[in-house]
Amino acid sequence: DGGITQSPKYLFRKEGQNVTLSCEQNLNHDAMYWYRQDPGQGLRLIYYSQIVNDFQKGDIAEGYSVSREKKESFPLTVTSAQKNPTAFYLCASSIVFLRGASNQPQHFGDGTRLSIL
Amino acid sequence: KQEVTQIPAALSVPEGENLVLNCSFTDSAIYNLQWFRQDPGKGLTSLLLIQSSQREQTSGRLNASLDKSSGRSTLYIAASQPGDSATYLCAVRPAAGGTSYGKLTFGQGTILTVHP
Repeated sequence: DGGITQSPKYLFRKEGQNVTLSCEQNLNHDAMYWYRQDPGQGLRLIYYSQIVNDFQKGDIAEGYSVSREKKESFPLTVTSAQKNPTAFYLCASSIVFLRGASNQPQHFGDGTRLSIL
Repeated sequence: KQEVTQIPAALSVPEGENLVLNCSFTDSAIYNLQWFRQDPGKGLTSLLLIQSSQREQTSGRLNASLDKSSGRSTLYIAASQPGDSATYLCAVRPAAGGTSYGKLTFGQGTILTVHP
């Protein structure tokens, strides 16, 4: 079945450590997104990419980095500069939002829960 | 800056009741609005997507309406069941053009509990 796979499901970070969250999709989507979800809040966009080797900052990019070397993969690194990384991280993908394609929803993975040790 | 608000934050109803979830947004220049369902510890599942030119969309027991000019959407769930218990989020996509094109802005969600 086509879908989005996020790993690991749970991740623990030590102070000063960088950690990388994996996101892989086999939906042949060009666009991929990373969101952060905190308790009682909606999703906030961290980074997004509409094509391989290109990505843009979202609303809360500080302390995070991404790469998009392959269409299927969009890993997110939570760096030591992110002082409050504890959250639920969700990856999504979609076709690129060109004219005539506005009726296509974003598809989401099952998330990674990151906690501080 | 677009802001999306969902009311109520939480709702508890007995099984079989019809219910309405509300979503409001501050900037009416949207391309579409989506309703999602999120089960605990899981990702989001898209329920309904309404284009800016549409007034409503229906899927089974779910009906979503959109009044773009007033910045409001409602999700109507008929004959609620315990399996409907989840968090429901709405999200808007801005109209074409500008650097925010394609990015979704989410509400904080409504936690729905349907008890037997």
